[in-house]
Amino acid sequence: QVQVVESGGGLVKPGGSLRLSCTASGFTFIDYYMTWIRQAPGKGPEWVAYISNNDLYIKYADSVKGRFTISRDNAKNSVFLEMNSLRAEDTGVYYCARYYNILNGYQGGPDYWGQGTLVTVSA
Amino acid sequence: SSELTQDPAVSVALGQIVSITCQGDSLISNYASWYQQKPGQAPTLIIYATNRRPSGIPDRFSGSTSGNTASLTISGAQAEDEADYYCNSRDTSGDFLELFGGGTRLTVL
Repeated sequence: QVQVVESGGGLVKPGGSLRLSCTASGFTFIDYYMTWIRQAPGKGPEWVAYISNNDLYIKYADSVKGRFTISRDNAKNSVFLEMNSLRAEDTGVYYCARYYNILNGYQGGPDYWGQGTLVTVSA
Repeated sequence: SSELTQDPAVSVALGQIVSITCQGDSLISNYASWYQQKPGQAPTLIIYATNRRPSGIPDRFSGSTSGNTASLTISGAQAEDEADYYCNSRDTSGDFLELFGGGTRLTVL
């Protein structure tokens, strides 16, 4: 079955950095775009970034552009989110999710989400 | 950029039908997706491509759109359907950015 597992969250001071990792299994990873979504406490999900199956297409939300970098390693079925210049408003649960299959094309938002990793930015 | 607007809260009597709506210009030309989220859990996809259900999602959940409004309908609400529901779509900028609505808390009475 499809599984997505995030790691790397924690407590970091404002201005600091953190690298999140996500390992996927149960599907052909190289056929899928992948995405990161975050959710601040008591708020709805906020899309952060996505990356195409072959790294050619990468998009970021305006709120993280220039500070966050998404990448992937298809050999290890993994996707990463490098977060720099962190701010208090970046606090939340960060979810990695399977986005869409290049063979079927875009049919909506991400389908399988991990359980998330908590990032807390505080002095 | 654009936004997706949802009512913050909706209630329904057990076994009755309820619709949750989502408004936004991006819905005129983009697919809508719907997610269910229960406390302490990750969101679960319940509708994609506006009106399709992933395997394992009960058929009491259905989706539709009309103009700039997408609707999630639960026909015969169950106690376990009490949750937060979020709509999702791409934005209208042409950059293929993703949007989420602010969420609707469904209470089953």
